[in-house]
Amino acid sequence: GQSLEQPSEVTAVEGAIVQINCTYQTSGFYGLSWYQQHDGGAPTFLSYNALDGLEETGRFSSFLSRSDSYGYLLLQELQMKDSASYFCAVNTGGFKTIFGAGTRLFVKA
Amino acid sequence: SAVISQKPSRDICQRGTSLTIQCQVDSQVTMMFWYRQQPGQSLTLIATANQGSEATYESGFVIDKFPISRPNLTFSTLTVSNMSPEDSSIYLCSVEPGLSTDTQYFGPGTRLTVL
Repeated sequence: GQSLEQPSEVTAVEGAIVQINCTYQTSGFYGLSWYQQHDGGAPTFLSYNALDGLEETGRFSSFLSRSDSYGYLLLQELQMKDSASYFCAVNTGGFKTIFGAGTRLFVKA
Repeated sequence: SAVISQKPSRDICQRGTSLTIQCQVDSQVTMMFWYRQQPGQSLTLIATANQGSEATYESGFVIDKFPISRPNLTFSTLTVSNMSPEDSSIYLCSVEPGLSTDTQYFGPGTRLTVL
């Protein structure tokens, strides 16, 4: 079967750095995406990695290691507004994306 | 990017009835997707809808239960037919402005409750 594993919850304090890991096992792999979803809101795209390495976008960075079937999302200088659910997602080809179960991030003051 | 609207935003329906959800995009897109998400859960792809062709359904979803229309490049509908309480969920449409699923833009969702 196909699966994406990520922690269910992570808690951190304002100003800190947090890393959300994602391991995947899929029949095809074209890239790893990350989405943020606030309660009651729609998922919004954060980043995408097709090749190994680190992609940086402001306070958010995303990393991919294809050989390890592993990636992570790094959030720096955490703010209260970063409290949300974060989903990793794999483009398996054939116009299909599989989403992980999501990691709920709680940012404390 | 793309701006997506969905109607209705929420509805409460009776068992055995059907509901059609509309998805409107502010630009022409080739690929549109319909997802289902239980509150606090992951997103599950129902089907891919491309203009001019039949929708492609994922395992566990069938056209008789979830008929989809895609009359043009900016609009799609998903119907949830013969509803049961198990269909209570959030239904989301998304678009991929490019030709892959690397970057999807999601609508605000339709929260459906079936009594």
